[in-house]
Amino acid sequence: EVQLVESGGGLVQPGGSLRLSCAASGFTFSRYDMNWVRQAPGKGLEWISHSSSSNPIYYADSVKGRFTISRDDARNSLYLQMNSLRDEDTAVYYCARGRRDGFEYWGQGTLVTVSS
Amino acid sequence: EIVLTQSPGTLSLSPGERATLSCRASQVVSSTWLAWYRQKPGQPPRLLIYGASSRAAGIPDRFSGSGSGTDFTLTISRLEPEDFAVYFCQQCDISPFTFGPGTIVDIK
Repeated sequence: EVQLVESGGGLVQPGGSLRLSCAASGFTFSRYDMNWVRQAPGKGLEWISHSSSSNPIYYADSVKGRFTISRDDARNSLYLQMNSLRDEDTAVYYCARGRRDGFEYWGQGTLVTVSS
Repeated sequence: EIVLTQSPGTLSLSPGERATLSCRASQVVSSTWLAWYRQKPGQPPRLLIYGASSRAAGIPDRFSGSGSGTDFTLTISRLEPEDFAVYFCQQCDISPFTFGPGTIVDIK
């Protein structure tokens, strides 16, 4: 069974940093494209970053230069390093698998709250 | 950036009725890269349709997708209670992989 479990969310002050993790299981992690998607409270979905073994890394303009996606295929894990956090980064952050065939699998999300 | 516009913003229907949701792109999107999701409160989105018209695993055949170029449609032939939710379209053709703002399907 495919599982994606996010962790690392919490309360952080504006300007601070946080590192999110996504632990994957039930599939050969290295073969798949992975993404981070976020959803601010009561709002829609915002794709923020994509990682694959065969394509460049992509970022949304809203996080470019502040967030860094990475993956450790040996540990079946996806990461999101978030620096210079702003109030508007407050959201539930999801990791999701896929691209060509849609984002077929999603984690339950981890909440990041940026507030002083 | 490809902007996706969804209409209507809210669709009020009764169980058993047909729902037609629209997704319009600001530029041509290859059908290969157009997907639809349903999201219920407190849950992550669930993939319904990929490649504009292919149903994801486990998705019932009351869901169908169509369209090409800049205009795409999700049709739910007969609404079930679990279908009252928010629906998002998404393109993964060109980065950034944008989502539409969503269509709320609520009970009339």
